[in-house]
Amino acid sequence: QVHLVESGGGVVQPGRSLRLSCVASGFTFSSYGMDWVRQAPGKGLEWVAGLWFDGSNIHYADSVKGRFTISRDNSKNMLFLQVTSLRAEDTAVYYCAREGALYEADVWGQGTTVTVSS
Amino acid sequence: DIQMTQSPSSLSASVGDRVTITCRASQTVTRYLNWYVQRPGKSPQLLIYAASSLQTGVPSRFSGSGSGTDFSLTIDGLQPEDFATFYCQQSYVSPRTFGPGTKVEMK
Repeated sequence: QVHLVESGGGVVQPGRSLRLSCVASGFTFSSYGMDWVRQAPGKGLEWVAGLWFDGSNIHYADSVKGRFTISRDNSKNMLFLQVTSLRAEDTAVYYCAREGALYEADVWGQGTTVTVSS
Repeated sequence: DIQMTQSPSSLSASVGDRVTITCRASQTVTRYLNWYVQRPGKSPQLLIYAASSLQTGVPSRFSGSGSGTDFSLTIDGLQPEDFATFYCQQSYVSPRTFGPGTKVEMK
C-alpha cells in the first residue's frame, strides 16, 4: 500500500529552525517528484515546494523562498523540508505529497503540525 | 505566479443534488488542472487530474471539464461524505497554486 508519513513538526519560537521529514513506502520513491503543501489553521491549501524524482528542478513558493529548503534521499525513501527563520505565519499543517505524471498530488501524507510561537 | 479563483466560496445543498463548482486561472494552464476534496480533519484527496480524468477509485458522480482558464467540477448526486471543501490546483507551472476552496455544506 502506498504510504507517506511526515514527522518533525512541533512548537518552535520565531526565528528558529526545524527539519520536517517524510518517509515513503509502497512505491518506487526514486521515480516520482514530490511536493510539500501546507495549511494554516482554518485556511486553504498552499503549495510550498517541489522537486523532481532525482532532486533537480526545485521550486518554491515566494512566501518561503530563501528560508525553506526541500531535498530528498532516494536511498532512504525520504523527503525533507528544512525550515528556517520561522515566522508566526508559517504555523500550519505540513503535508508531503507525491506528484503524478501531470504533476498532480496523487498521494498525501497525514501531515505534521508546525506551530511558531514565543 | 498564476492566481486561481473559485466560485462560489461556499454553497448549501442536499443529498442527491447536482452541484457545480467553477475555477478560473489568471492565465492559461491548458489542461493542467486538478481537483481535490478535503473532508474535515483529513488530508486532501485527489479527485480529478488533467481537467477531466477521474483518479482511480473516485466515484463516477465526480466529473471535471474545461481547458485554458475556465474549469468546473460537477458532483452528480451529492452524497453525505461530499459535505467537505473542494480545491482546484494548477500544475502547469511552479508554484503550483491552489484555489481558495469551496465549502459544500448541508442545507
